[in-house]
Amino acid sequence: GQQLNQSPQSMFIQEGEDVSMNCTSSSIFNTWLWYKQDPGEGPVLLIALYKAGELTSNGRLTAQFGITRKDSFLNISASIPSDVGIYFCAGQTRYNTDKLIFGTGTRLQVFP
Amino acid sequence: EPEVTQTPSHQVTQMGQEVILRCVPISNHLYFYWYRQILGQKVEFLVSFYNNEISEKSEIFDDQFSVERPDGSNFTLKIRSTKLEDSAMYFCASCPGEVLQPQHFGDGTRLSIL
Repeated sequence: GQQLNQSPQSMFIQEGEDVSMNCTSSSIFNTWLWYKQDPGEGPVLLIALYKAGELTSNGRLTAQFGITRKDSFLNISASIPSDVGIYFCAGQTRYNTDKLIFGTGTRLQVFP
Repeated sequence: EPEVTQTPSHQVTQMGQEVILRCVPISNHLYFYWYRQILGQKVEFLVSFYNNEISEKSEIFDDQFSVERPDGSNFTLKIRSTKLEDSAMYFCASCPGEVLQPQHFGDGTRLSIL
């Protein structure tokens, strides 16, 4: 089936540093989304991307929908301790009502 | 802001028993989903539901599983004859179905099978 590969698997960074993570697939997706999951909670939507090449920001977060439609990246600038968590990319192949196919996740640790 | 709510937050059940996980989607949403996350792994799709019927299901969603929207607000996942490997977080999600409107998730039910 379709798979989304996220990298890196985990990151340990100093507070204030910028972070970059990405998601790649062998299949084309029409929608890319980035979610954050805190322990014991459900995924919370950070950014949704609907158009190839689209670059969207949400505060310190910026994400891009790759032009090939097979990849996406998420950047976090000036990280803070509350950025700690697991970041998942997710894609939809056709419509925004389709199932989400999730990536393998990037675990982020921020040290003060 | 409206939320997807799930109950219970934690369910402990003996192997072989039946469990029902409950979800109240956001009120004006039309599409409903169940996902599963085994500890330490990624979130996996189980089933989607629209217009009172299943629109898609994964290979995980076999005859052991069923979903129902018994009234205008609840959306339930029933697991019959539970097995140890059913232990996971189960997330409900919903979306309105309009263009550019993504899925929103509840906080999940942790299911522990003993």
